[in-house]
Amino acid sequence: DAGVTQSPTHLIKTRGQQVTLRCSPISGHKSVSWYQQVLGQGPQFIFQYYEKEERGRGNFPDRFSARQFPNYSSELNVNALLLGDSALYLCASSPGSTGGQPQHFGDGTRLSIL
Amino acid sequence: EDKVVQSPLSLVVHEGDTVTLNCSYEVTNFRSLLWYKQEKKAPTFLFMLTSSGIEKKSGRLSSILDKKELSSILNITATQTGDSAIYLCAANNNAGNMLTFGGGTRLMVKP
Repeated sequence: DAGVTQSPTHLIKTRGQQVTLRCSPISGHKSVSWYQQVLGQGPQFIFQYYEKEERGRGNFPDRFSARQFPNYSSELNVNALLLGDSALYLCASSPGSTGGQPQHFGDGTRLSIL
Repeated sequence: EDKVVQSPLSLVVHEGDTVTLNCSYEVTNFRSLLWYKQEKKAPTFLFMLTSSGIEKKSGRLSSILDKKELSSILNITATQTGDSAIYLCAANNNAGNMLTFGGGTRLMVKP
């Protein structure tokens, strides 16, 4: 069975640009969560979506937004990119939304801002 | 604000050694504690702990949760070079799939 897939693998942008990252969950998983991992730190929670609805938001500015589609795939959008947005962006999926089962992560998108 | 702290920050051992990694948490409405292994990219799920005092085991790895002390340990026996990785601890609350991660322990196992 395919795991969580993310695209693109790597991305280079300049300050002020906008970026869209994509995630396909494991088949049968309805919940998708996004995390930002800065080099040398643990991942930090950005958003959780379940059945196309936002169920949680971390401490990130409004420049960050996301959505979930009817097939449960998800997109993370970041506007007005800053140098500090350079990080590994991880997507995780799980069957439900309550945290009763573990989340499984994709390989991430490495975003570099010049 | 929810918080997870891991220690040590890094550890260097030789093959065959046994290691213990520590994780402490302060989480409102705590639900579960999870351990992940991160080698290059995707954190790989190891254990999910919800009940205090019940050890979970998978091969040479084991983990236990202490809800009284708000902590967990991950043990690795007879370490191998393939165990070299960053080990992440994360706590979940009742609100849903919003993990709070610690900073990780970087383990290096030398031949």
